[in-house]
Amino acid sequence: EDKVVQSPLSLVVHEGDTVTLNCSYEVTNFRSLLWYKQEKKAPTFLFMLTSSGIEKKSGRLSSILDKKELSSILNITATQTGDSAIYLCAGRFGGGAQKLVFGQGTRLTINP
Amino acid sequence: DTGVSQNPRHKITKRGQNVTFRCDPISEHNRLYWYRQTLGQGPEFLTYFQNEAQLEKSRLLSDRFSAERPKGSFSTLEIQRTEQGDSAMYLCASSLVRGDGNNEQFFGPGTRLTVL
Repeated sequence: EDKVVQSPLSLVVHEGDTVTLNCSYEVTNFRSLLWYKQEKKAPTFLFMLTSSGIEKKSGRLSSILDKKELSSILNITATQTGDSAIYLCAGRFGGGAQKLVFGQGTRLTINP
Repeated sequence: DTGVSQNPRHKITKRGQNVTFRCDPISEHNRLYWYRQTLGQGPEFLTYFQNEAQLEKSRLLSDRFSAERPKGSFSTLEIQRTEQGDSAMYLCASSLVRGDGNNEQFFGPGTRLTVL
């Protein structure tokens, strides 16, 4: 069964630090991997990755996919308290599959 | 607001009652998805529609659950004879299908269900 695992499950850092969140997957037919940010509401789309080794960047956030290692990382530089949230990784797998398979999420807390 | 909307935002019900939730997707999106999220977990897929056709249902979707999208626009999710284990956040998402099939899904604010 397709599976997505995120680590760490929880992370507490100080404002200004750089963090790296990890996502690994076990799948039969990979299509794409997505990152979402979830605060006290619905997940907000961050990135969609389909090709290995190509970094996607948005401000202080960046993400890259490694298909050989079946993994992805999400980097946040110069963290701010507003970055505190749950970060979800999700995969789309299978030939005709449209559903997303989510990991448990990483709860990130940024202390001032 | 042109995002995905869901109603109600919160629902408290007694065990055994029926509840119905509504989702209005982004207007030009042809795919609509329902997910369920419990505390400390990522969302779990329930079902999805392409236009009015329900194309996939999860094993999580028991006989007490039914979803419709009658005109290919808004969708409803009904839970009959609710149980305490149904308490969760019910999330709706929509997307616009592209030729390669890859598409990001945009989520609504969710309906939080509490079954007493």
